[in-house]
Amino acid sequence: DSGVTQTPKHLITATGQRVTLRCSPRSGDLSVYWYQQSLDQGLQFLIQYYNGEERAKGNILERFSAQQFPDLHSELNLSSLELGDSALYFCASSVGYGRDEQFFGPGTRLTVL
Amino acid sequence: GEDVEQSLFLSVREGDSSVINCTYTDSSSTYLYWYKQEPGAGLQLLTYIFSNMDMKQDQRLTVLLNKKDKHLSLRIADTQTGDSAIYFCAESRGSGGGADGLTFGKGTHLIIQP
Repeated sequence: DSGVTQTPKHLITATGQRVTLRCSPRSGDLSVYWYQQSLDQGLQFLIQYYNGEERAKGNILERFSAQQFPDLHSELNLSSLELGDSALYFCASSVGYGRDEQFFGPGTRLTVL
Repeated sequence: GEDVEQSLFLSVREGDSSVINCTYTDSSSTYLYWYKQEPGAGLQLLTYIFSNMDMKQDQRLTVLLNKKDKHLSLRIADTQTGDSAIYFCAESRGSGGGADGLTFGKGTHLIIQP
């Protein structure tokens, strides 16, 4: 158990809908990262927040957004969902940023029908 | 470029050593990681190596880094059935501006034969 929690574990929704994925980092960690794992694209970095502020952006679509709250939990919002958005979404956390070790949560499996 | 490449499958006999290889293209990478993913689970960090090191050993795991060829390998000694998983190589430049996010390879499925 990495100490990173994600909810829900599974999510099934329809095209065009909007969903919110939630992540609680390990106690004491200030950075939260979001990754998408799909069969065709593999594991891709989406976005990082550090202490409430956006720090780095990866391959995140404009339909997706995220935020980190004062209690350091983070939410990833996915809107206008398409079939291709079906994937495993992982959250990771680290103490700081840069070279700090990232600990991954168990993931949320999103299925778009 | 930031591509990280790995072969998709590796099959070894129980008790033998497994060697999983990875090549990366970004010469500014400062940290290289090996993660393990078991079915239905998240990613577990196995080990990492700084780019100024050539080798790191941690119990049954040995990481070798060839900076000239941008080649990283993970050797698992005395492979057991519990080692069956997908192994991901990842790199990080650790200097911000998007580089804090790890760049992963597609993963190598390690298959253990009895």
